[in-house]
Amino acid sequence: QVQLVESGGGVVQPGRSLTLSCAASGFTFSTYTMHWVRQLPGKGLDWVAVIRYDGIKTAYADSVKGRFTISRDNSKNTLYLQMDNLRAEDTAVYYCARPHDTNLGTKWFNPWGQGALVTVSS
Amino acid sequence: EIVMTQSPATLSVSPGERVTLSCRASQSVNRNLVWYQQKPGQAPRLLIYGASTRATDIPARFSGSGSGTEFSLTISSLQSEDFAVYYCQQYDTWPSFGGGTKVEIK
Repeated sequence: QVQLVESGGGVVQPGRSLTLSCAASGFTFSTYTMHWVRQLPGKGLDWVAVIRYDGIKTAYADSVKGRFTISRDNSKNTLYLQMDNLRAEDTAVYYCARPHDTNLGTKWFNPWGQGALVTVSS
Repeated sequence: EIVMTQSPATLSVSPGERVTLSCRASQSVNRNLVWYQQKPGQAPRLLIYGASTRATDIPARFSGSGSGTEFSLTISSLQSEDFAVYYCQQYDTWPSFGGGTKVEIK
């Protein structure tokens, strides 16, 4: 079955870096655009970033632009989110999410991973 | 950025009741709207896409309606497993989510 498994979360000091990974299985990873979405503690959901199926095009939310980098390795069926210059307000559960289908215009998600908690604190 | 606003923030209902959740967009998103259900400690689960199409394996008691800026999710007869937080999300532009409606037991 389709599965997304995030890893790499943890506690990090403000200004430091952290990289999340998302291992995909059960579908042809290289044909899907992939997204990161985060959920602030006790709050709603925020879209973070997207990467096209071939890794060539990316886009970011304004709140993370210039600090976060989304990438992928289709040979390893893995999605990444490198987070630099982290701030307290980046504390959240980070989900990788696959669009429902391979259509480039599909920007809604099914399934989601189980999430990785990132805590930015000194 | 399109701002999504959900109301009410919390809904207290009894099992078996009919509930309607609202979602409003700050500008038209056509019918490019989905609904998710989220339970504590779990990832969101897709319920409805295209404003009114149920996702695979979603019970018929869930229905969505609306277009443009006004949308609703109706649960015709609330079951115990339906107590959760519900989020709407537009995908007319880069995704944005509503703040959620918590459906709790009365």
